[in-house]
Amino acid sequence: GNSVTQMEGPVTLSEEAFLTINCTYTATGYPSLFWYVQYPGEGLQLLLKATKADDKGSNKGFEATYRKETTSFHLEKGSVQVSDSAVYFCALSAINTDKLIFGTGTRLQVFP
Amino acid sequence: EPEVTQTPSHQVTQMGQEVILRCVPISNHLYFYWYRQILGQKVEFLVSFYNNEISEKSEIFDDQFSVERPDGSNFTLKIRSTKLEDSAMYFCASSLDQQGWYGYTFGSGTRLTVV
Repeated sequence: GNSVTQMEGPVTLSEEAFLTINCTYTATGYPSLFWYVQYPGEGLQLLLKATKADDKGSNKGFEATYRKETTSFHLEKGSVQVSDSAVYFCALSAINTDKLIFGTGTRLQVFP
Repeated sequence: EPEVTQTPSHQVTQMGQEVILRCVPISNHLYFYWYRQILGQKVEFLVSFYNNEISEKSEIFDDQFSVERPDGSNFTLKIRSTKLEDSAMYFCASSLDQQGWYGYTFGSGTRLTVV
């Protein structure tokens, strides 16, 4: 079946450090891939997306590239800020299904 | 930017009571969804709704749950007889297309507490 696997958290970084949150997926066909962010006490916000292989999604300094060969969609940011502290969810939308399948989420904590 | 609006933001109910969670999706979106997130756990799909009928539902979405789009703008989730394990954050979402090529937009959620 379709699934998403994310690296376990929490990820703890100092401000201006480089961030990578790993995400791999299993799906039939060519799913659309997403990163959502959940700030404390808030709902889910779309951070970025990619709908086909080799697409790069980017937003607010975050990037992720859809890698079909490694079935991955790792999230990266060159220099994190305290305000980036949140839970990050990788998700996929597979062919012929309505639902988003989420990973377990990775909590990021950035300290000054 | 268009938003998905959910009300109430927090609801406390007694076990066995009926609750209705309300959502106003983005006006030109065609697909509507409910998800839930039990505290500290992953976000789980409950149901999708398209063309005035359920198009897909999960195992969680049993006979205690129902959805409705009563007036062309609101989208509701009803839980007929709440259980303690229904306590969770419930998110409504909408999208323009099935695959989310234009993205899925989520509301801020309703925190349901069953006591």
